[in-house]
Amino acid sequence: NAGVTQTPKFQVLKTGQSMTLQCAQDMNHEYMSWYRQDPGMGLRLIHYSVGAGITDQGEVPNGYNVSRSTTEDFPLRLLSAAPSQTSVYFCASSFTTGGWKTQYFGPGTRLLVL
Amino acid sequence: DAKTTQPPSMDCAEGRAANLPCNHSTISGNEYVYWYRQIHSQGPQYIIHGLKNNETNEMASLIITEDRKSSTLILPHATLRDTAVYYCIVRVSGGYQKVTFGTGTKLQVIP
Repeated sequence: NAGVTQTPKFQVLKTGQSMTLQCAQDMNHEYMSWYRQDPGMGLRLIHYSVGAGITDQGEVPNGYNVSRSTTEDFPLRLLSAAPSQTSVYFCASSFTTGGWKTQYFGPGTRLLVL
Repeated sequence: DAKTTQPPSMDCAEGRAANLPCNHSTISGNEYVYWYRQIHSQGPQYIIHGLKNNETNEMASLIITEDRKSSTLILPHATLRDTAVYYCIVRVSGGYQKVTFGTGTKLQVIP
């Protein structure tokens, strides 16, 4: 298993540009989520999904869109990038049924918005 | 999910046991205690979890008080590679709950 993969690893955007951060997992996990981590801060939940076709907002959803058309993929879209979205983005996945097992995290995407 | 409180930072001498506390005084009866760590901006890594009994695995031990209002993560022989931010999270097992992380404890292992 590759686990949770994220692309790209690094990205520089200009204010107003849009982009999609990719996240994929091959463990057949129902639950997937996106976090952002600002310097010296903990992780804050952006959006999450409990299965294909089902998504919901986390703590800091503004400026981000998600969709879940397959179990494997959970892309995060920045519609119009702003400097405040400069951060490290982590994707995570886990099972939801039979007890909340461990969350598996991807390696992160480092985003700089100029 | 219940809120947790952790000290912002701790030091530990290499080879000694590192004891990281976590307060979760509003924990519900069906909420588990989970510990993760994050090494140098990598993705967080699962360490251990428990409900009310003490737990041990190859990485650490988890001691939960009888009233379940606090817990301690124990790294029995800390190494320099254990320097990381440690997060304590409480949540129910299973279901559709979203998971949030606090700011954690920065553990510095000193040679």
